[in-house]
Amino acid sequence: QVQLQESGPGLVKPSETLSLTCTVSGGSVSGSSYYWNWIRQPPGKGLEWIGYIYNSGSTKYNPSLKSRVTISVDTSKSQFSLNLSPATAADTAVYYCAGEPDSNSWMDFDSWGQGTLVTVSS
Amino acid sequence: QSVLTQPPSVSAAPGQKVTISCSGSSSNIGNNYVSWYQQLPGAAPKLLIYEDNKRPSGIPDRFSGSKSGTSATLGITGLQTGDEADYYCGTWESSLSAGGVFGGGTKLTVL
Repeated sequence: QVQLQESGPGLVKPSETLSLTCTVSGGSVSGSSYYWNWIRQPPGKGLEWIGYIYNSGSTKYNPSLKSRVTISVDTSKSQFSLNLSPATAADTAVYYCAGEPDSNSWMDFDSWGQGTLVTVSS
Repeated sequence: QSVLTQPPSVSAAPGQKVTISCSGSSSNIGNNYVSWYQQLPGAAPKLLIYEDNKRPSGIPDRFSGSKSGTSATLGITGLQTGDEADYYCGTWESSLSAGGVFGGGTKLTVL
């Protein structure tokens, strides 16, 4: 397993860009052994998969968010990032980064960050 | 509204057994592996079961997973007060709206 840590602003204004970074330790963001994911959880609600990046460039996004989401990797900093634009109040949630080993199956997140609350409000 | 359907809540006494269901369709559970997560209050989710019925290292055998057709089930035996948490199923959706999907979550209360 790898260790993950989210960072970024806790407050974002509506119509602006929600940007978060996940720092990875104990593993490589540039290799092909892990899918790097973002997952969110609105207050008091369930989990929602946002998307992943794999092997430094291949991405897949939740169809409901696809038009507003970008996930990228900075291999020099061992980080991957989430951009969501434009942000709305409905994007208020705890955001988790999670690692999924490259295997025969999907949605097997064996490593999680502690989560960071992002509030979208003016 | 979640693609995968879970009961909102289940409860049982300490030492007893409980099952949590996760219902989907042929485009998700019916053709893809299911995973299960435990989320303790204020914590990140933790992987309990992957590939329908496999346990990661460190997960006790009190937790088990099974699947039949388009439904999956998480079983927990010998309930402990520390098992009180939210539980989520997850899988891949293979339709035109392909992507990861979770159930709405089930709150387990250990009475």
